[in-house]
Amino acid sequence: NAGVTQTPKFRILKIGQSMTLQCTQDMNHNYMYWYRQDPGMGLKLIYYSVGAGITDKGEVPNGYNVSRSTTEDFPLRLELAAPSQTSVYFCASSYRLLYEQYFGPGTRLTVT
Amino acid sequence: EDKVVQSPLSLVVHEGDTVTLNCSYEVTNFRSLLWYKQEKKAPTFLFMLTSSGIEKKSGRLSSILDKKELFSILNITATQTGDSAVYLCAVDPGGTSYGKLTFGQGTILTVHP
Repeated sequence: NAGVTQTPKFRILKIGQSMTLQCTQDMNHNYMYWYRQDPGMGLKLIYYSVGAGITDKGEVPNGYNVSRSTTEDFPLRLELAAPSQTSVYFCASSYRLLYEQYFGPGTRLTVT
Repeated sequence: EDKVVQSPLSLVVHEGDTVTLNCSYEVTNFRSLLWYKQEKKAPTFLFMLTSSGIEKKSGRLSSILDKKELFSILNITATQTGDSAVYLCAVDPGGTSYGKLTFGQGTILTVHP
């Protein structure tokens, strides 16, 4: 099992550009999550999903969109990137809500 | 607003020392508290605590929850350089926020040889 994989590992965006962060898990987990982590801070939940076709907002959803068309994939879309979105983004999955979450390696995004 | 506060923010010890990390929380509802270890990259799960007073243990690490006083501690005995990491505490507030973890800012632990 590869676990949770994320692409890309690093990305630099210009203000106003858009991009999609990819997340895939091969553990057949129903629950998937997107977090962001700013320097010296804990993780903040952006969006989560309890299964294909079902998503819900977390603590900091503004400026992001998600979709969940399959169990395996949970992409995060940034529209009109802003410097405030400079962060490290982690995708995670779990078998059940709030059971042990498995994290991907993260995507470091810089918006300049 | 739900809040999770960890202390100390950073800690430097020598191998063999014992450390205690603290996590206090204020949430409208409470379902569980989780501890994670974060080295260079992604957090890895350590413990999930739901019941007060019951210690969870894994090797040299242990954790306990006090739901009356709204805090948890993570103990690491006989520390090793490999324990150097950021330790994150998170709370599941339950209720209508079920599943939405609130994280503390983390404690940076540095273990010197």
